[in-house]
Amino acid sequence: QKEVEQDPGPLSVPEGAIVSLNCTYSNSAFQYFMWYRQYSRKGPELLMYTYSSGNKEDGRFTAQVDKSSKYISLFIRDSQPSDSATYLCAANQAGTALIFGKGTTLSVSS
Amino acid sequence: NAGVMQNPRHLVRRRGQEARLRCSPVKGHSHVYWYRQLPEEGLKFMVYLQKENIIDESGMPKERFSAEFPKEGPSILRIQQVVRGDSAAYFCASSYRPEPQEQFFGPGTRLTVL
Repeated sequence: QKEVEQDPGPLSVPEGAIVSLNCTYSNSAFQYFMWYRQYSRKGPELLMYTYSSGNKEDGRFTAQVDKSSKYISLFIRDSQPSDSATYLCAANQAGTALIFGKGTTLSVSS
Repeated sequence: NAGVMQNPRHLVRRRGQEARLRCSPVKGHSHVYWYRQLPEEGLKFMVYLQKENIIDESGMPKERFSAEFPKEGPSILRIQQVVRGDSAAYFCASSYRPEPQEQFFGPGTRLTVL
């Protein structure tokens, strides 16, 4: 079992939809949970990270971590065509290497 | 306010040649991480360096790959005697503190081995 699992999609939604992106992980020692956005042929861009369980909101983006079920989610409200990208989840323990999911490709149509 | 810089952005090598990938971290960042992204796979950690020291190379292939981060100058990822399976995007990231979750990524170097 991979340490971080992510459905690769692709996921296609119309503009304005609420998008839900999800990952599961197996290592209960993970403490930090990250979401990155990667446009085609570009480097990953950190959207946000959370420590332990709970929610974190930044504009149209909300990250959720449920450590009891080892589930990580990213919600995008009022999705825009510019949100079309690959979204990578990652997790780690403090000071250790990030473990990434394979990424979910999102397409938002206008 | 430059971010992480990587060069070259694209590199073509023939089998058996050497590839040298350079990474200049964000100014003031002393922690550098290298990742490889193969087609249809996620980002895989390769090595973590601090100035003049390799801290964690657990993701680095045992042979042909090496990395350094000298006191002066960029970090270098070196691949000797490249093979077709080395074709991938190589990303460098840097952080101010030794906290990988705070790292910023560069644009990557796309290596093609003919």
